[in-house]
Parts: sequence; C-alpha cells; structure tokens
Amino acid sequence: AQSVAQPEDQVNVAEGNPLTVKCTYSVSGNPYLFWYVQYPNRGLQFLLKYITGDNLVKGSYGFEAEFNKSQTSFHLKKPSALVSDSALYFCAVRDSNAGNMLTFGGGTRLMVKP
Amino acid sequence: DVKVTQSSRYLVKRTGEKVFLECVQDMDHENMFWYRQDPGLGLRLIYFSYDVKMKEKGDIPEGYSVSREKKERFSLILESASTNQTSMYLCASSRTGTSGGTGELFFGEGSRLTVL
Repeated sequence: AQSVAQPEDQVNVAEGNPLTVKCTYSVSGNPYLFWYVQYPNRGLQFLLKYITGDNLVKGSYGFEAEFNKSQTSFHLKKPSALVSDSALYFCAVRDSNAGNMLTFGGGTRLMVKP
Repeated sequence: DVKVTQSSRYLVKRTGEKVFLECVQDMDHENMFWYRQDPGLGLRLIYFSYDVKMKEKGDIPEGYSVSREKKERFSLILESASTNQTSMYLCASSRTGTSGGTGELFFGEGSRLTVL
C-alpha cells in the first residue's frame, strides 16, 4: 500500500524567509512524487514532480523539492517566501508498482506574513 | 494548454434534489476521477474511471454515482442530495502508465455545492 504524510497542518513564515513544507511517503516500489498548490476556491495546480533522476526537482513559482530516499521524504522548499505563496499545499505519491492512483497527504496550509 | 473544465463553479440545491456535476477534459486522457474536499479531511476519492463506460468505487462512493459515456466526459450524480454532501467537488484526469503517464493529475477548478 502507498501512503503519504504531511506532519504539519500549518506553516507560518515571514515574507523573504526560506520556507519548507514537509512530506514523507511509504511505497513498496519506486515512488513517483508530486506537489500541488490550491488557492482559495480553486482547483489544485501542479507544482512539480519527481519521477527519476536528480534528487533536487525545480518547479513552478520558484519552488523546489528534494527527494531523499533514505528518509522517504520529499520536502517542498523555496528560498524566499512571498505573501502570494500563502495557500494550501498537497503532497501526493504513486507507487510505480501499483497502478495509476495517487494518494494525497492531508494538506499543509502555508501562511506568509508581510 | 491542457484543460479540465467543470461545468458549474457554484451550485445551491435543496435536500432530495438530483444533482449532476459535469467534467470535460480535452487531453484525451484515459483516467478520470471525482474527489470531494472538506476542511480537515483532505481529498477523498469518490469514483474513478479507466475507460469509457468503466467505473470503479473510490473511498467514499455512498450516495453518488457516475457516468462515462464518452472518453472526454465524466459526470458525478447525486441521486438525492443531502446536507452532508455540501462540499467542494474536484474532477481530475490523467494518462495511463501504458500511454506514457506518470500518474500526474490535472484538476478542474472545482464545483462548490451547497445543499440546503
């Protein structure tokens, strides 16, 4: 079975500071990992994904994520937060051995304060 | 630009009414999904479909049905709406692995349903 955990319901950061949103996963095969962002009353927008290759993945809006196989983590990062980054962030995983289904984490609300 | 379109952004219905939520994708994706999203509960899968006329139950199918008569269209049906079905409904699509997909989902803008 595949699972993903986002241990923080909310992350608060000051504008201009670096941000990290945490995600850990569990799969039996190789993981395909994804980050999505959701702004109020909108659908989820794709940010970035890790399938294979470099452990550091760069995505939209200056976000990046680091795949760490030993720690089974895929934390989302940004060097300098913007107030407009405030949103709900979802991590998702798909087990390469287990069909086409994504499993989503519970989401982390990012609040960036001026 | 790839697109998943949900027909209604906001709906208000009365208890007992039949509700149709329509979703259309223009990416020729094989897979389509319906999720509901509620505060504190994340995304929960209601139904999904791997092909035309095919459907599979997700985690919370009770009170819902679906229809996929054409590849591009996936409809969610609430036969008799109840107040506990007030929620945000999200449609998504993806390509299968055998056609090069990695599982990445493309989402519509969501349909916020209020049942009074």
